[in-house]
Amino acid sequence: NAGVTQTPKFQVLKTGQSMTLQCAQDMNHEYMSWYRQDPGMGLRLIHYSVGAGITDQGEVPNGYNVSRSTTEDFPLRLLSAAPSQTSVYFCASSYDSSGGEQFFGPGTRLTVL
Amino acid sequence: KQEVTQIPAALSVPEGENLVLNCSFTDSAIYNLQWFRQDPGKGLTSLLLIQSSQREQTSGRLNASLDKSSGRSTLYIAASQPGDSATYLCAVRWDNFNKFYFGSGTKLNVKP
Repeated sequence: NAGVTQTPKFQVLKTGQSMTLQCAQDMNHEYMSWYRQDPGMGLRLIHYSVGAGITDQGEVPNGYNVSRSTTEDFPLRLLSAAPSQTSVYFCASSYDSSGGEQFFGPGTRLTVL
Repeated sequence: KQEVTQIPAALSVPEGENLVLNCSFTDSAIYNLQWFRQDPGKGLTSLLLIQSSQREQTSGRLNASLDKSSGRSTLYIAASQPGDSATYLCAVRWDNFNKFYFGSGTKLNVKP
């Protein structure tokens, strides 16, 4: 199993550009989520999904969109990038809602100029 | 509001010491708590997951305990090694939809 994979590893955008961060898992996990990690602030939840077709907002959803058309994939879209979105983005998955362990991808480091 | 706090933010110890990392949370009605390790520039590696019905979990030199009534979890590392140097994060889940709330982490440095 590849586990949780994320692409790209690094990305530089200009203010106003849009892009999609990709996340995929091959463990047949129902639950997937996106976090951002900023220095001194820990990880903050952006959006999460409890299954294909079902998504919900986390702590910091503004400026981001998600969709979940398949169990395996959970892309994160930046609609109009802003410097405040410069961060490291992590995708995570877990088997179900009965207390499963979360597994994390390697992260995407995004810089918005 | 649910909050997770980890103190201290950084800790430096000589090799071989036993040490304790702390995680506190504001609401005792948690679902579970997970400890992670993060190496610089890397993702998070799961160390231990404790369900709300459990008091502790052990893996090798690591032991995590949970005291819901006091809103605390501790991660005990026995016989620390330089390879244990990393940032340790705890994450708490309070509901059934996999929304974890993270502490800011404790950066551990184990000196040879």
